[in-house]
Order: sequence, then structure tokens, then C-alpha cells
Amino acid sequence: NAGVTQTPKFRILKIGQSMTLQCTQDMNHNYMYWYRQDPGMGLKLIYYSVGAGITDKGEVPNGYNVSRSTTEDFPLRLELAAPSQTSVYFCASSTTGLAGTSYEQYFGPGTRLTVT
Amino acid sequence: SQKIEQNSEALNIQEGKTATLTCNYTNYSPAYLQWYRQDPGRGPVFLLLIRENEKEKRKERLKVTFDTTLKQSLFHITASQPADSATYLCALDIANNNDMRFGAGTRLTVKP
Repeated sequence: NAGVTQTPKFRILKIGQSMTLQCTQDMNHNYMYWYRQDPGMGLKLIYYSVGAGITDKGEVPNGYNVSRSTTEDFPLRLELAAPSQTSVYFCASSTTGLAGTSYEQYFGPGTRLTVT
Repeated sequence: SQKIEQNSEALNIQEGKTATLTCNYTNYSPAYLQWYRQDPGRGPVFLLLIRENEKEKRKERLKVTFDTTLKQSLFHITASQPADSATYLCALDIANNNDMRFGAGTRLTVKP
């Protein structure tokens, strides 16, 4: 199993440009998440999905969009990139436990994004 | 307000000693709490999960406690080694619906 894979690893965007961060998992996990991590800070949840076709906003969703058409893929779209979106982005997945609560999250290697 | 706080930004200890990290939260009632390890330039790696009805969980040299009355979790690494040096993050499912919140992390350095 490759686990959670993310592409690209690095990207530099100009202000106002758009891009899609790709995330794929091969563990057949129902739950998937997108986080951003600013230097010296913890992770902040952007969006999450509990299954194909279902997405929900997290703590910091503004400026981002997601879709979940398959169990495996959970792309994150940045429209009109801004310098405030400079960060490291992590995708994660998890399976479900008893009563619908999720078990541990498996994280991808991250995408380092700079907006200038 | 709702928040998750980890006791300190950085903790330095001597090899062989026990490291104790704290995670405090306010205004949440999580069904479980998780601890992760993050090395520089890498994604977090899951270590332990403890549920609200569990007081203590152990895994090798790691021990986690969970006090829902104090709204606090303690994370212990016994017989610490330089290889334990990393940032440790706690995480909560704040509404028991997979809406996850992480603390800012504690950077642990174990000196030989």
C-alpha cells in the first residue's frame, strides 16, 4: 500500500492564480481530511469528508473548495490564491470505529505552497 | 471560547528521564483524544488514542492519561532517547463528527 499520496510536493503560485492539490489514498478509508500548517503552528482543518459525495467545512474553509467523487480521491481547489494561503497542506484519511467515530489518521507527505 | 492548549512550545530533557507533555482543552466534550508525532518536513504519525471512558493507555514506553473532569490529557515518554526528539501534537474530535482540532504542539528535545 502506498498509503496517502499528495501531489505536487512543492508549488509557487502568483497572487490570483488557481490550482488543485491532489490527494489519493489506497486504504479504502471512508474519512478524508485537508489541513494546513503554518510555521510553528498546529494543523488547522480546512475541509473533511465522511464518504464519497459528502463534504463538510472545517475550521478554516474560506478560499478553498473540495469534492469527493470517489472513495480514493479528495482534491483541494484554491481559487484566486492569496499570500495568506502560503502554508504546508496535509491530506489525511481514517477508517471508522465503533459508533462512527474514526480511528487514527494517516497523513500524506504534504504540499508546500508559496503564494507571491 | 473553545481552544486546545499544549503546555509549552518546547521541552528539553536529559536522555533516560521521563518526558511529560500536557494537552488542555476548554468547552469541548470529546469522545476521544489522540496523540501524534511530527518530525520536521513530515506529516504527523499517529501514536495513541484514548477514549473518554479510559483513564490510561500504554504502548511500549508511551503512556497517555485522560481526565475529562480536568479536561486534560498527559502524554508520558519513559526512558527517553534522543530519537524521541520531535514535535508532539494532541487532537480532538470536537463535535464527535470527525471535525478534528489539533493543538499547536510541543517540541521535545532529548539530549544525550
